[in-house]
Amino acid sequence: SYEVTQPASLSVSPGQTATITCSGDKLGEKYTCWYQQRPGQSPVLVIYQDYKRPSGIPERFSGSNSGNTATLTISETQAMDEADYYCQAWDSSTVLFGGGTKLTVL
Amino acid sequence: LQLQESGPGLVKSSETLSLTCTVSGGSISSFRSSDYYWGWIRQPPGKGLQWLGSMSLSGSTYYNPSLKSRLTISVDTSKNQFSLILNSVTAADTAVYYCARQASVTDQARFDSWGQGTLVAVSS
Repeated sequence: SYEVTQPASLSVSPGQTATITCSGDKLGEKYTCWYQQRPGQSPVLVIYQDYKRPSGIPERFSGSNSGNTATLTISETQAMDEADYYCQAWDSSTVLFGGGTKLTVL
Repeated sequence: LQLQESGPGLVKSSETLSLTCTVSGGSISSFRSSDYYWGWIRQPPGKGLQWLGSMSLSGSTYYNPSLKSRLTISVDTSKNQFSLILNSVTAADTAVYYCARQASVTDQARFDSWGQGTLVAVSS
């Protein structure tokens, strides 16, 4: 069965750029979306169809997808961006989530 | 659009878990069945997200293969609700259960509105 994998954790300093990856076989041939989940809250869609931002999501959030890797980039990272981030893809009529990446801003 | 899960917070092992998601701020029937599905996702304590299944108003359903034999999702447009039934639960089914609206059923599928989640514990 198809799988997408993420690094478990990432640390970044405030104001720097955070790059979170999601890997899967030929993932670039599929659409990927990303969710942000702050502690104790429900997930929020931040990127869909690889690079599109829903209304209300800051421009600091961007996405790309090519080859075997999809990437979520958060520029000028702020303390409020500290959260778990999940990638999600679709394969064989199944929704697949990555294991999540815990982003620490320190 | 707002979604709210409801149901028992504690279920005994081997019994049936039943949850309902009430949609407010819009009629569930107003969303084209070809464009929107209604789904369930869960998150065991301290772990990641697991998709359970999704259903359209036209009755089409997609289930996680690992849960398909125990899972049923249904929609009641008259009550603006959709529901989840999970049979023969075990401790491994302990999780926060989220309901969500799924935009698109194709490879563009994404969950664009989520409920606040409800914790369901399975006891022995």
